[in-house]
Amino acid sequence: DTEVTQTPKHLVMGMTNKKSLKCEQHMGHRAMYWYKQKAKKPPELMFVYSYEKLSINESVPSRFSPECPNSSLLNLHLHALQPEDSALYLCASSPQYGGSPHEQFFGPGTRLTVL
Amino acid sequence: ILNVEQSPQSLHVQEGDSTNFTCSFPSSNFYALHWYRWETAKSPEALFVMTLNGDEKKKGRISATLNTKEGYSYLYIKGSQPEDSATYLCALHMEYGNKLVFGAGTILRVKS
Repeated sequence: DTEVTQTPKHLVMGMTNKKSLKCEQHMGHRAMYWYKQKAKKPPELMFVYSYEKLSINESVPSRFSPECPNSSLLNLHLHALQPEDSALYLCASSPQYGGSPHEQFFGPGTRLTVL
Repeated sequence: ILNVEQSPQSLHVQEGDSTNFTCSFPSSNFYALHWYRWETAKSPEALFVMTLNGDEKKKGRISATLNTKEGYSYLYIKGSQPEDSATYLCALHMEYGNKLVFGAGTILRVKS
């Protein structure tokens, strides 16, 4: 199974809501990533988890809270978001963090709209 | 801030045409250059991971070259087919860790 799955595919939320994005992989990868992509812009790295520990936080606002409960699952908890946070959120995984340059395997993304 | 530039922004070609596009980046320390293909409503899919100056990789009708000294990579598609229609992203794999810095992509549309 070389698939990274993300749920939900689409999410509409108000600024006072709390929601979560979910990402799952069963390839035995030990590094997982969250990216954010605004329209016509490159995907931008938000967080990196390695062996279930947060390794990189690219100065992301605290209204985004990542969680890696186990090696297969990655969550992104959302609270008090702003309309400018509307974007496509991509999850990815790779065999490991660091070392040889491995390709990253991406999910299809969650399209988030904040009203 | 590291800028990875891709050109052209979009490209429309006829079925059977060969095409190429460019990824430009400042020559600096990095592990590798990645190419991804991203079809609409699907996941980005890795095409190539290139590490060495002069590296050339091929997968079917698609090939890529890397020039690290001058800071560019070319992606070539021979005999484009409608199923090649996608956004092609390049990304610099930075020296530290497994961090990818992406370009904005080239949108390819192949008309039958």
